[in-house]
Amino acid sequence: GAVVSQHPSWVICKSGTSVKIECRSLDFQATTMFWYRQFPKQSLMLMATSNEGSKATYEQGVEKDKFLINHASLTLSTLTVTSAHPEDSSFYICSALSYKPNRGGLRETQYFGPGTRLLVL
Amino acid sequence: AQSVTQLDSQVPVFEEAPVELRCNYSSSVSVYLFWYVQYPNQGLQLLLKYLSGSTLVESINGFEAEFNKSQTSFHLRKPSVHISDTAEYFCAASPMNQGGKLIFGQGTELSVKP
Repeated sequence: GAVVSQHPSWVICKSGTSVKIECRSLDFQATTMFWYRQFPKQSLMLMATSNEGSKATYEQGVEKDKFLINHASLTLSTLTVTSAHPEDSSFYICSALSYKPNRGGLRETQYFGPGTRLLVL
Repeated sequence: AQSVTQLDSQVPVFEEAPVELRCNYSSSVSVYLFWYVQYPNQGLQLLLKYLSGSTLVESINGFEAEFNKSQTSFHLRKPSVHISDTAEYFCAASPMNQGGKLIFGQGTELSVKP
């Protein structure tokens, strides 16, 4: 099946620094990727939709200037947490949409990365 | 607006017993429905999905879920669980007109005991 990777898998940083997380679709091209965050013992919350070659679409309540998303190629989207604070500590998960031919049309499947655990001290 | 509700946050069960994890959704448009599994310290893995056709869908490891439009439910079942099924299970809905966006339920922690 399709594979999505994330790098780094975990990161510890000091408060005030910026952290970049990469999401790559390894064996397919993805025009659309999604970024989620998951707090301990909670569900995934969609942060933004990342579209190749255009600006990301952010969900209500997500600060676009704090969570910068760049989808510069069909296989890579990056999330940069700017001026990170302890409350930004979370598990960040990306996913990528894959389209495959199916019965004369296209079947859409979303593949998830393994996640990046961010701890801000 | 859409929402997904998983009615049980934790489900403890003994090995080889049957289990049902409940999921209800609310949406003003048609949705696709999914169950994902998350093992400790890992990412999400797709367990099964309902897109169209038969309302009963099955996974390769014995789970099944039935789409019930009248009750807006998509409960997950397995007739006999194993220790290895211990994980967090998430129900999710994807509105058909929103480009693949997923709305997740709160998750159900399935704990299988020997």
